[in-house]
Amino acid sequence: AQSVTQLGSHVSVSEGALVLLRCNYSSSVPPYLFWYVQYPNQGLQLLLKYTTGATLVKGINGFEAEFKKSETSFHLTKPSAHMSDAAEYFCAVGGSARQLTFGSGTQLTVLP
Amino acid sequence: EPEVTQTPSHQVTQMGQEVILRCVPISNHLYFYWYRQILGQKVEFLVSFYNNEISEKSEIFDDQFSVERPDGSNFTLKIRSTKLEDSAMYFCASSEALLRGEVGEKLFFGSGTQLSVL
Repeated sequence: AQSVTQLGSHVSVSEGALVLLRCNYSSSVPPYLFWYVQYPNQGLQLLLKYTTGATLVKGINGFEAEFKKSETSFHLTKPSAHMSDAAEYFCAVGGSARQLTFGSGTQLTVLP
Repeated sequence: EPEVTQTPSHQVTQMGQEVILRCVPISNHLYFYWYRQILGQKVEFLVSFYNNEISEKSEIFDDQFSVERPDGSNFTLKIRSTKLEDSAMYFCASSEALLRGEVGEKLFFGSGTQLSVL
C-alpha cells in the first residue's frame, strides 16, 4: 500500500521568494516519486520524477526536489517564485510504474 | 509538443443515463489510463489499458465502468448508469511503451472532462 501527504492545501509566497511545497509518502516498496503541476483549465503536467540514482532531481521551470528516504519526503523547491508559477501542484507515488497515488494537492499563490 | 485531447470539456447528464468520455492519446503511445478527481479530493487512478485489454484497475472501476479503444486513435470511458457521486473531473493519460524493467514513465495527461451528474 502507498500513500502521499501534502502539507498545506494552500501556500502563498511573494514573487522572488523561495517556494517550498512539502510531500511525505509511504510505500512498501522502493518508491517512484513524481511532482505534477496543473495550470487553470489545463491537464496535469509532469514537473519532475525520481526513480533511482541521484536523490536531487531537477525538473522544468527551475523546480527541483530531493528524495530523502530517512524522512520519507520528496519536497519541491524553487529558489525564486515567478507569477507564472501560480498553479496547483500534486505529489504522487508509484510503487509500480503505472498506478500512481496522488496527494490532495497544494494551491500555490504568488503575490506581487 | 504532442498532446492528449479530451472531449467534451464539460458534460452534463441526468442520473441513470449513460455517458461516454472520449480521449485521443498521443499517436505512438501504447499505454492508456483514466483518472478522476472529485471536487476537493485527490486525483484517483481508475484503470490502465494496454494491448486492447485492461491491465490494472482500482476498486472504483466497478461494473458500471468500461473502457474501449474502438479504433486506432480513440480511447473511451463509458459509465453505464451514472450516479450523483460520479460527478468529477476525468483525466485521460497515455504513455510510451516501456522496455521490460523500465519504470517511471512519463504520463501525458489531457485537460480533463468535467462530468456533472444531476
